[in-house]
Amino acid sequence: GEDVEQSLFLSVREGDSSVINCTYTDSSSTYLYWYKQEPGAGLQLLTYIFSNMDMKQDQRLTVLLNKKDKHLSLRIADTQTGDSAIYFCAETTWVYNQGGKLIFGQGTELSVKP
Amino acid sequence: DSGVTQTPKHLITATGQRVTLRCSPRSGDLSVYWYQQSLDQGLQFLIQYYNGEERAKGNILERFSAQQFPDLHSELNLSSLELGDSALYFCASSVESGLAGVNEQFFGPGTRLTVL
Repeated sequence: GEDVEQSLFLSVREGDSSVINCTYTDSSSTYLYWYKQEPGAGLQLLTYIFSNMDMKQDQRLTVLLNKKDKHLSLRIADTQTGDSAIYFCAETTWVYNQGGKLIFGQGTELSVKP
Repeated sequence: DSGVTQTPKHLITATGQRVTLRCSPRSGDLSVYWYQQSLDQGLQFLIQYYNGEERAKGNILERFSAQQFPDLHSELNLSSLELGDSALYFCASSVESGLAGVNEQFFGPGTRLTVL
């Protein structure tokens, strides 16, 4: 079945890099996503990667995908206190004309200390 | 601001009651998704509607139902409420043309349901 796993907590110092890891089980995943949730807010899409890509860079964010090991990571360079939030990994498997539901991990709470 | 609105923000009710949560998608988005976020289950997909029709179903209880109206807003109805139904309920919308693609979903701020 579909399952996405993440570690629950990560603490870093301001200015350091943060790496949040995720593993998934569905080998037919089409897209993998990283969402950010700040307290009292909804989820905000940060970035995504198509399953045939290995890496995607978007300003301070770098996504690495190891499809063989079903491992996804999000690296945040020069982490700031404003990056403190819960980060969710999610995957979707497209079935034509049957929707694109997201399967989420448990979320990793990132704490950035000044 | 994602452009997705949800009402009410908070809802407190008693066991056995019925409530309706409302979602208005972003302008132009045809798909609406409902998700439940709870401490023990995490974020779970409940159901998706596309242009008024049910498209996909997840872990949605039989006591729960949803619909999407001609103006594309959606309602999630929760009945015979139990303590375990207390959670944050998110609505998301996407353009989703029905063809494979990135299907970016935009999330509303959520409705926090507390069942006492």
